[in-house]
Amino acid sequence: QVQLLESGGGVVQPGRSLRLSCVASGFTFSNYGMHWVRQAPGKGLEWVTVIWYDGNKKHYADSVKGRFTISRDNSENTLYLQMNSLRDEDTAVYYCARAVGATRWVDYWGQGTLVTVSS
Amino acid sequence: EIVMTQSPATLSVSPGERATLSCRASQSVSSNLAWYQQQPGQAPRLLIYGASTRATGVPARFSGSGSGTEFTLTINSLQSEDFAVYYCQQYNDWPPWTFGQGTKVEIK
Repeated sequence: QVQLLESGGGVVQPGRSLRLSCVASGFTFSNYGMHWVRQAPGKGLEWVTVIWYDGNKKHYADSVKGRFTISRDNSENTLYLQMNSLRDEDTAVYYCARAVGATRWVDYWGQGTLVTVSS
Repeated sequence: EIVMTQSPATLSVSPGERATLSCRASQSVSSNLAWYQQQPGQAPRLLIYGASTRATGVPARFSGSGSGTEFTLTINSLQSEDFAVYYCQQYNDWPPWTFGQGTKVEIK
């Protein structure tokens, strides 16, 4: 079955960096676009970034553009999110999610990893 | 950016009754709309895509309708496991992919 397992979350000071990982299994990872979606404590869902199946196209939310970088290693079935210059408002649970056709709906979500930005 | 607005914010319903949730887009998204359910402390789960197609394994009591700017998620005969937060999301015009703010369905 499809599984997405995020890791790398934790407590980090403002201005510092963190890298999240998402290991995929149960499907052909290299055939799917992947998103990162976040959820601040007690808030709704916010789309963060997407990467095409081959890594050749990427898009970012304005709130993270220039600070976050999405990447993938199809040989390792792993999705990454490099987060630099972290701010208090980046505190959230970060979900990796499989996209149908990269640009369409999300059909599977990971369990999420919590990032807390605090001094 | 397309803004998605859900109403009501909270819906109080008795078990066995019907719940009707609304989602409005700031401009047409055709039928490119999905609904997700999120239980407390869990990841979201896909319920509906293409505005009206149930995802694999989703019970028939869940139905979606609408197109353009107005959409509805209907849950017939609410079960205990249906009390959750529901989000709509458009994937017609991107980036960004945008979500509604959510509707919480609670026990009356």
